[in-house]
Amino acid sequence: AQKITQTQPGMFVQEKEAVTLDCTYDTSDQSYGLFWYKQPSSGEMIFLIYQGSYDEQNATEGRYSLNFQKARKSANLVISASQLGDSAMYFCAMREGVAAGNKLTFGGGTRVLVKP
Amino acid sequence: DAGITQSPRHKVTETGTPVTLRCHQTENHRYMYWYRQDPGHGLRLIHYSYGVKDTDKGEVSDGYSVSRSKTEDFLLTLESATSSQTSVYFCAISEHLGNQPQHFGDGTRLSIL
Repeated sequence: AQKITQTQPGMFVQEKEAVTLDCTYDTSDQSYGLFWYKQPSSGEMIFLIYQGSYDEQNATEGRYSLNFQKARKSANLVISASQLGDSAMYFCAMREGVAAGNKLTFGGGTRVLVKP
Repeated sequence: DAGITQSPRHKVTETGTPVTLRCHQTENHRYMYWYRQDPGHGLRLIHYSYGVKDTDKGEVSDGYSVSRSKTEDFLLTLESATSSQTSVYFCAISEHLGNQPQHFGDGTRLSIL
């Protein structure tokens, strides 16, 4: 079974509107972390936002916020006031437990295209 | 930006040849990782290192080996490259704490003909 699922392969969003990218995860660990990365067409991986499993508040970072619903095992990324530069692939990733390695498991990604 | 340099950035080679990719960091981070990125699969972990000479396998380690003789360098070797190893390879680094993100290099595009 996939540990990280991103069900939206691609989506369009109108400039200046908000967009929500879905991410569900599967883990039996109590301690874990969720990360979102952006990959523009130039190819680099850019860290956006982090949510820890014990964090009581949803993470926010500028125009990015994370809608964390622990019971539903979802960690959706919300991008507010979309800009043309937000067009990119977005990846959700999970770090499980506290074992050595800080390893991440990635979802398959969602491609976002912002329309002017 | 995190000081991570991958070399080469692009490489084309033939099936059966050995290939070594290098990742160099200037951040003195303990953890280093090698991923491959293929369409529809996101990034998948090949190997990682948690210290000098300390390495472990990831999800897709078959056909790959790694070495870390210095904190700053993490090498990925394909002993006998196959066409299925055509991919984009990313190196990443992180500090020890679990809430610290991994920071990625710019990737190496490897084509095996």
